[in-house]
Amino acid sequence: EPEVTQTPSHQVTQMGQEVILRCVPISNHLYFYWYRQILGQKVEFLVSFYNNEISEKSEIFDDQFSVERPDGSNFTLKIRSTKLEDSAMYFCASSASRGPRYEQYFGPGTRLTVT
Amino acid sequence: GEDVEQSLFLSVREGDSSVINCTYTDSSSTYLYWYKQEPGAGLQLLTYIFSNMDMKQDQRLTVLLNKKDKHLSLRIADTQTGDSAIYFCAEILPFNSGAGSYQLTFGKGTKLSVIP
Repeated sequence: EPEVTQTPSHQVTQMGQEVILRCVPISNHLYFYWYRQILGQKVEFLVSFYNNEISEKSEIFDDQFSVERPDGSNFTLKIRSTKLEDSAMYFCASSASRGPRYEQYFGPGTRLTVT
Repeated sequence: GEDVEQSLFLSVREGDSSVINCTYTDSSSTYLYWYKQEPGAGLQLLTYIFSNMDMKQDQRLTVLLNKKDKHLSLRIADTQTGDSAIYFCAEILPFNSGAGSYQLTFGKGTKLSVIP
């Protein structure tokens, strides 16, 4: 069964450093998403991406965040200058289309620890 | 505004039924979902219910929706140790931009522990 994969599974970085979290969505999916979950908090929507541009973003997704689909398979989330409060589990998801009838398939997540 | 609330922990004995509850605030939700997260894995869609339904049954899973009280529950019959996981309730709502995009809003998740 096709699945969304994410690398690395765990990333430790120092405050102020840049990190890139990588995702490989399901191959025939067109819509891509990033969510995050701070420990003990809710899973929060960050951004959705379609046709090589951001469709929607939340207020969390400020200028330090960016997303990119650099080739036909990868979907990346870059955090330019990490802060302690960026420590969280980051989930990538993809769907064949948008709308409530189309399931979003989630990857296993990358745990980001900022020290 | 949207908010989804659920209790954080539930512990049941193997073979018993588990009931995980969730409340949501936005009555315009069209679909409500239950996701399961096993250790080290991503969120997996377990089941969903359309907002014009009261109940949906799928093998050992029963979803009940009370739209008046904005209450959603997931019942797992004959709970097994393999059901131990975190269960997330989620609702889907359109973005205010009107561009046709939708946003999943999750609760914090209920950790189900099954005692052998």
